[in-house]
Amino acid sequence: DAGVTQSPTHLIKTRGQQVTLRCSPKSGHDTVSWYQQALGQGPQFIFQYYEEEERQRGNFPDRFSGHQFPNYSSELNVNALLLGDSALYLCASSLALGAWYEQYFGPGTRLTVT
Amino acid sequence: ILNVEQSPQSLHVQEGDSTNFTCSFPSSNFYALHWYRWETAKSPEALFVMTLNGDEKKKGRISATLNTKEGYSYLYIKGSQPEDSATYLCAFPNDQAGTALIFGKGTTLSVSS
Repeated sequence: DAGVTQSPTHLIKTRGQQVTLRCSPKSGHDTVSWYQQALGQGPQFIFQYYEEEERQRGNFPDRFSGHQFPNYSSELNVNALLLGDSALYLCASSLALGAWYEQYFGPGTRLTVT
Repeated sequence: ILNVEQSPQSLHVQEGDSTNFTCSFPSSNFYALHWYRWETAKSPEALFVMTLNGDEKKKGRISATLNTKEGYSYLYIKGSQPEDSATYLCAFPNDQAGTALIFGKGTTLSVSS
């Protein structure tokens, strides 16, 4: 049973460009969340998708957008990249909504903006 | 703004030492408290999800306790081994649906043989 997968593993982009990151949740999971981990910080919540809808958004600008497909996979898009967007982007899935459900994380996509 | 604090930030111990870390979280509107272990070049992996005051959970040499009234959790590692070297993160769900996990900055443990 494949866990959470993310692609690509690493990415280098230039300021002002746009990027799309992809995530496939663990089999049987329908809820996908995205997190950004900057150096020296814990992961920061970006948004969560459930039933193809964005349920909640963290404190991130509209340059960050996402999508969930009918097969529950998800994309994170970032427009007009800034140097400060350089970070590890983690995707997590869970079996259902509920604070007591553990989240399963992918290995992350390392984005470098130059 | 929900805030989760972890201490110490980093820790270096010798193989065989026992150690513990602290996670502090808001004591109001408590839903659950998650502990994750994150080894270098791997994905964060759930250790425990704790929901009840006084909860104690154990997995091998690792155990955790929970005090929801005062807003803290301890993670204990007994007889540390080099393979325990990792960053240990605690996280606090922001609502009952567990929409967002609010993470601490983590405690990075290094175990020398």
